[in-house]
Order: sequence, then structure tokens, then C-alpha cells
Amino acid sequence: GDSVTQTEGLVTLTEGLPVMLNCTYQSTYSPFLFWYVQHLNEAPKLLLKSFTDNKRPEHQGFHATLHKSSSSFHLQKSSAQLSDSALYYCALNSNYQLIWGSGTKLIIKP
Amino acid sequence: GGIITQTPKFLIGQEGQKLTLKCQQNFNHDTMYWYRQDSGKGLRLIYYSITENDLQKGDLSEGYDASREKKSSFSLTVTSAQKNEMAVFLCASSRDRGNSGNTLYFGEGSRLIVV
Repeated sequence: GDSVTQTEGLVTLTEGLPVMLNCTYQSTYSPFLFWYVQHLNEAPKLLLKSFTDNKRPEHQGFHATLHKSSSSFHLQKSSAQLSDSALYYCALNSNYQLIWGSGTKLIIKP
Repeated sequence: GGIITQTPKFLIGQEGQKLTLKCQQNFNHDTMYWYRQDSGKGLRLIYYSITENDLQKGDLSEGYDASREKKSSFSLTVTSAQKNEMAVFLCASSRDRGNSGNTLYFGEGSRLIVV
């Protein structure tokens, strides 16, 4: 069946360094891929969604490129900020529901 | 904009007790979802509903019931609370079914504590 893999459970970085959170997937079709972010004691909310025309989505300095050849949708940012500390979920749409990765907790230190 | 309201924020119950969580949305969305959030396990779908009075099981429906009383509300019942069910329960809604690429909007969650 369809699945999403986030290999890092916890990523700790120093402010100002680049961020990359890994997401790979398996899907029978050509799915939409999503990144959701959940800050402490808040609701998860959509950060990025893949486009059907291979454009690279960007939001709040984050971007992600859908690579169908490697089945990946890694989340990147050039320079981490303290406010980026949060839980990040990668997900894909499959058969009327979203399939979620296990989540990556990102901690940014000063 | 709209909002999803989950009540209560914390639900404390005894083992074996029947406990109910409620969710309201004012987006006028068709589809509503209940997810369970456990640390390191991602979000697991318990039930979803594509319209009033509709109910579809997710991967984790055993031990739970749900009810879509009207378009704006979706409740979840833990039929017999167990200590290993302590988790955060998230309600969400979307304009259409998730396969169309529509965004899910989440509530802030309800934490279940079983004593």
C-alpha cells in the first residue's frame, strides 16, 4: 500500500544553518504531497503542497521539490530561525484520505 | 476564515468508561475527520465523514464510535477507555475528500487522560 517515510524523528540545529527534513513516499499513482507544521500547543496547519505542473512550492522561507524519480519531497530552508522549532509532518493523498509520515521534531537552538 | 473548535481540551476518565469528544467547524466543509496523535507514530485516522449522517472507518476505528449529527459537528466516542489510549485526538475538516488535494484544517486537539 501507499506509505510515507520520515527517517528523522528529531533534528536539532543552530539558528542560521540550513534545514533539510527528509520525506520519501511509495504510491501507486501520482499523488499530491504535503508538509504540515505543528507548533507547540497549536493545531497542525498546511505549510506546503506539491503542484501538478512541477513548480516548486514555497512558504515562509521553506520550499520542497517533488522528485518523482526518487519519490521524494524533502523540506528545505536556507537559514533556520528559532520560530521554526516545531513538529513537521509529510503526507500524501491516497484513496480519499491522507497518508501521514511519523513526523520530525525540529529544534532550533540559538 | 473559519475555525475548528474541539471540546473539551482535556478529558479525564476512568478505565472502562465511555468518553465523548466533540468537534465543531464553521468552514461549511463537507468532510470531517478524527485522528489520533501519538508521539513518533504520526497521525492515524479513526473515522471520517463526507457529509451529514455519513460515517467511514479509518485504520484505527476499533474501540471508537463516531457520529456526524449535522454538517458542522462530528463527535468521537471512546467506547471503553483504556490506559494505553492516552493520546491527543485531532479533529479536522476539508472542503472535499482528501484525495483532491484540498487542505485539511485542524482543531487544537483534545488530550485524553485515563486514570
